[in-house]
Amino acid sequence: SQTIHQWPATLVQPVGSPLSLECTVEGTSNPNLYWYRQAAGRGLQLLFYSVGIGQISSEVPQNLSASRPQDRQFILSSKKLLLSDSGFYLCAWSGGLDYGYTFGSGTRLTVV
Amino acid sequence: KNEVEQSPQNLTAQEGEFITINCSYSVGISALHWLQQHPGGGIVSLFMLSSGKKKHGRLIATINIQEKHSSLHITASHPRDSAVYICAVHSGTYKYIFGTGTRLKVLA
Repeated sequence: SQTIHQWPATLVQPVGSPLSLECTVEGTSNPNLYWYRQAAGRGLQLLFYSVGIGQISSEVPQNLSASRPQDRQFILSSKKLLLSDSGFYLCAWSGGLDYGYTFGSGTRLTVV
Repeated sequence: KNEVEQSPQNLTAQEGEFITINCSYSVGISALHWLQQHPGGGIVSLFMLSSGKKKHGRLIATINIQEKHSSLHITASHPRDSAVYICAVHSGTYKYIFGTGTRLKVLA
């Protein structure tokens, strides 16, 4: 069966520090991968999606970036975090319409 | 105006009540998802619909493609149903558009 792993679960980082959140999927190949952010009291905002290795589409311009170095690995990064980067970050994968949409457990990031 | 609107935003119910959460969308879609987000943040997919109606336990989801509307019903609600319920539509690309969610609290 397919599973999705996301880590760390919580993270407190100072302003200006780098960020690296990792997401991996098991049990499937060539998944569509997504990074979402949920700010406090707000809905899910799509940040990046990837339909294949090295293929990244950005939905919202910001100081975050994403990379897909392997088929089932999706990484969210920042060189210098801002206070406004605080939020709940969710990785998700989809195998296509028939397979629905599965979320990771999320990372709660607090930038101080 | 958001492309996916949910109502109500907040809902408090007594245990045992029948609950309805609504989702309206303004874009063409190929599928609609209902998701449940637990207080800790984890999200679970409840239903994926492209037409008609689906039932799983005490949960029922319906969709009317012509009216661009979907409803999520919970029968015999229980405190463990307390969560945020999110409607998301697949708009025919690789992307999903999410509603802002309905925060449900079921009181014992």
